[in-house]
Amino acid sequence: AQSVTQPDIHITVSEGASLELRCNYSYGATPYLFWYVQSPGQGLQLLLKYFSGDTLVQGIKGFEAEFKRSQSSFNLRKPSVHWSDAAEYFCAAPRSQGNSNYQLIWGAGTKLIIKP
Amino acid sequence: EAQVTQNPRYLITVTGKKLTVTCSQNMNHEYMSWYRQDPGLGLRQIYYSMNVEVTDKGDVPEGYKVSRKEKRNFPLILESPSPNQTSLYFCASSLIGGYTFGSGTRLTVV
Repeated sequence: AQSVTQPDIHITVSEGASLELRCNYSYGATPYLFWYVQSPGQGLQLLLKYFSGDTLVQGIKGFEAEFKRSQSSFNLRKPSVHWSDAAEYFCAAPRSQGNSNYQLIWGAGTKLIIKP
Repeated sequence: EAQVTQNPRYLITVTGKKLTVTCSQNMNHEYMSWYRQDPGLGLRQIYYSMNVEVTDKGDVPEGYKVSRKEKRNFPLILESPSPNQTSLYFCASSLIGGYTFGSGTRLTVV
């Protein structure tokens, strides 16, 4: 079965430090891939998406992600985090069957904690 | 502003009292979906709709109903709520390219 794995439940980084959140997928073909952010008390917001082409994708709020087929990964990065980045981050990819471009499989989420 | 609007944001109800959570989108999206979010269980899909009058079960449909009579609206109906339906609910709509989520409805069933 297709799956999306976020190995880290929590990550703590200092404000101003760089960030990398991991996402691994299991797919036969190159999937669409998404990162979403959920700030406390809010709904989820799309950060960025990968469909095809350039494997380094730029998103909102200064985030980027790199698709690496050889590692089945789509890791989210930010060079310098701000306290406002404290949130939960979700990786997602379409399910393989049916209307796969709409139906998503979700990672379990990674909670980002920022140390002052 | 493009958005998905859910109401109410918070709801406390008693077991067995029918309730409806409304969801409306202004982006003319064909696809809409309902999720529930519980600690340790992540996001789980309840129902989805590919278009007007087309709905289908997600992963956890038991105890829920939906309808899609118009493209913009996708209400979630709990005919007889039970305490295990206490959760945070999200509605979302989509074109290919990502979902737009509502702000959520926190439901407590006592």
